[in-house]
Amino acid sequence: GAGVSQTPSNKVTEKGKYVELRCDPISGHTALYWYRQSLGQGPEFLIYFQGTGAADDSGLPNDRFFAVRPEGSVSTLKIQRTERGDSAVYLCASSFGGASYEQYFGPGTRLTVT
Amino acid sequence: GESVGLHLPTLSVQEGDNSIINCAYSNSASDYFIWYKQESGKGPQFIIDIRSNMDKRQGQRVTVLLNKTVKHLSLQIAATQPGDSAVYFCAENADSSYKLIFGSGTRLLVRP
Repeated sequence: GAGVSQTPSNKVTEKGKYVELRCDPISGHTALYWYRQSLGQGPEFLIYFQGTGAADDSGLPNDRFFAVRPEGSVSTLKIQRTERGDSAVYLCASSFGGASYEQYFGPGTRLTVT
Repeated sequence: GESVGLHLPTLSVQEGDNSIINCAYSNSASDYFIWYKQESGKGPQFIIDIRSNMDKRQGQRVTVLLNKTVKHLSLQIAATQPGDSAVYFCAENADSSYKLIFGSGTRLLVRP
């Protein structure tokens, strides 16, 4: 079956611009996660959805970052007024439940802010 | 795609040898641990997991060992193959939460 998909695979934007990153989770997975991975480091948690609601957004670095999942399936990570420090790979993962269920990761979106 | 882990510790092994990758975790409350494999340009791929009530778990060619006393986790790969070349991350999950906390990775290079 299809895995987690993310679009676009690469995004180059200018400093100050707005970007949206999309995640399509595995069908039937109720939990969805966003992580950010900088070069040479492990992924860092950003936000977790259970269904349509953001159960925990404590990993979002500041109020320029926002994510939605209006119908409990596809999610969009939105970044306003991008900064060069936002450059990273943004990973999405999904799972059947919340705690202690295997998280399946997508290929990520590589964001470059120039 | 962009390489993962350009500045990561590297383990180089001969094809056919066994590999051992180590990881130290920090949270004594963590009760679930996972090893992920990440190839360049791809997302992390689940390899094997272990819960804190176990100290060893075996999969196909892989074994995970957990030492809670010293908060240490290791991944053993038997008969390492070229396809095993990747960056390996351990991750922990504390108090049955949903967040995965990833450790710093190790790059595994398999020499033919």
